[in-house]
Amino acid sequence: DVKVTQSSRYLVKRTGEKVFLECVQDMDHENMFWYRQDPGLGLRLIYFSYDVKMKEKGDIPEGYSVSREKKERFSLILESASTNQTSMYLCASAYDTQYFGPGTRLTVL
Amino acid sequence: AQTVTQSQPEMSVQEAETVTLSCTYDTSESDYYLFWYKQPPSRQMILVIRQEAYKQQNATENRFSVNFQKAAKSFSLKISDSQLGDAAMYFCAYRINSGNTPLVFGKGTRLSVIA
Repeated sequence: DVKVTQSSRYLVKRTGEKVFLECVQDMDHENMFWYRQDPGLGLRLIYFSYDVKMKEKGDIPEGYSVSREKKERFSLILESASTNQTSMYLCASAYDTQYFGPGTRLTVL
Repeated sequence: AQTVTQSQPEMSVQEAETVTLSCTYDTSESDYYLFWYKQPPSRQMILVIRQEAYKQQNATENRFSVNFQKAAKSFSLKISDSQLGDAAMYFCAYRINSGNTPLVFGKGTRLSVIA
C-alpha cells in the first residue's frame, strides 16, 4: 500500500512565523503535490514537483515556497505566516494516480 | 482551462438505498483520466474509482460504479446499497493523460447516510 505521511495533524502558529509542513512518501513516486482545502472552495493546488529539485507553481503559490531535496520528501514553507493561510493542507504523491496524506490543519493566530 | 463542476453541494440517502452524485467537466483534450475521491470526517482522501477516457466501459468497484458519458462530458458516481460508512465528502477530479500533471477538482458533494 502507498503511504503518504504528513508531519503534523494539527499545527498552531503565530502571524509572522516561518512554518514548515513536511510530506514523505514511501513509493518512489516522482510526482508530489501540495493542495490547500477550504470549505466551499474545494482543493486548490499550491505547488507541485515532478522530480528532485524541480518545482512548478500551481493556482495559488503566493505566500508559499517548496523544497524537494530528496525524492521521498516534499516540504511546503510559509515564509511569514498570515491569518489567511489558516487552512487544511493536503499532500499527495503519484506515479499515475494521486495518493493523499492525512492532512495538516494549520491555524495561524 | 479545464474545469470540474459538482452541482450538488449536499446529498442524502437512506441506508441500503442507491444514490448518484453528479459531475461534469470541461476540456478540449481527448485523452484524460477521471477520478472520484472520498474524504470521510477523518480527513484522509481515498481513491474510490478511476476512469480512463479511452475506455468505453464504465468503471466499477464493488458497490461503486460510474456513468461516463464522454460526449456529454459527464461522470457521475453511483453508490449502491449505501452504508453508514459511505458518509463523506466526495470529490470529482480530472487530469490529462500525463503522470506529472495535477488534478483539477470539483468543489465536492457532502453525502449524508440516514439510518
